[in-house]
Amino acid sequence: KQEVTQIPAALSVPEGENLVLNCSFTDSAIYNLQWFRQDPGKGLTSLLLIQSSQREQTSGRLNASLDKSSGRSTLYIAASQPGDSATYLCAVKETSYDKVIFGPGTSLSVIP
Amino acid sequence: SAVISQKPSRDICQRGTSLTIQCQVDSQVTMMFWYRQQPGQSLTLIATANQGSEATYESGFVIDKFPISRPNLTFSTLTVSNMSPEDSSIYLCSVVSLYEQYFGPGTRLTVT
Repeated sequence: KQEVTQIPAALSVPEGENLVLNCSFTDSAIYNLQWFRQDPGKGLTSLLLIQSSQREQTSGRLNASLDKSSGRSTLYIAASQPGDSATYLCAVKETSYDKVIFGPGTSLSVIP
Repeated sequence: SAVISQKPSRDICQRGTSLTIQCQVDSQVTMMFWYRQQPGQSLTLIATANQGSEATYESGFVIDKFPISRPNLTFSTLTVSNMSPEDSSIYLCSVVSLYEQYFGPGTRLTVT
């Protein structure tokens, strides 16, 4: 059974710092991996999608990497801003028609 | 991409009553997913709804408690029946479009 974990559970950094969020999954046979952002009391915003054949994806200050063999993904946020404060969720999809399985999330606080 | 709307955005309900949540997508999709996010928790899949067939429920969720309708390829409803305070959660509708998972804004339910 696929399980997804995220480290750290919470992170507080001063504005301007670069940071890394970690995601691990137990079964490397995944279809894709997606990073989401959730603001308090709100829905989810998709940040980056990495297909199983890809190693990384970039969007602006965000870079996500995928190492299927080790069951790991990282989300790198460059030059963090207070507006980046949110919960970041990692989710894996095992087949094209399957559900996504979520990690518990990392709560990020960027201090001005 | 897919744009998803949900109604209501939030509600406060009495114990023992039922609430129906609507999900509308701006494009035709084969599968629609319903997730629950309990306070401070990550997302858990309730069921997968295909048009023209019975929804498929995850372990721990039953049709009598969470009946789902899927009358066409752009619309679905989730009913939370005979509510108790433990049902207080955010309920989110989700679809897949071009491999990527999209989520609605969620319905925040409080049961008193």
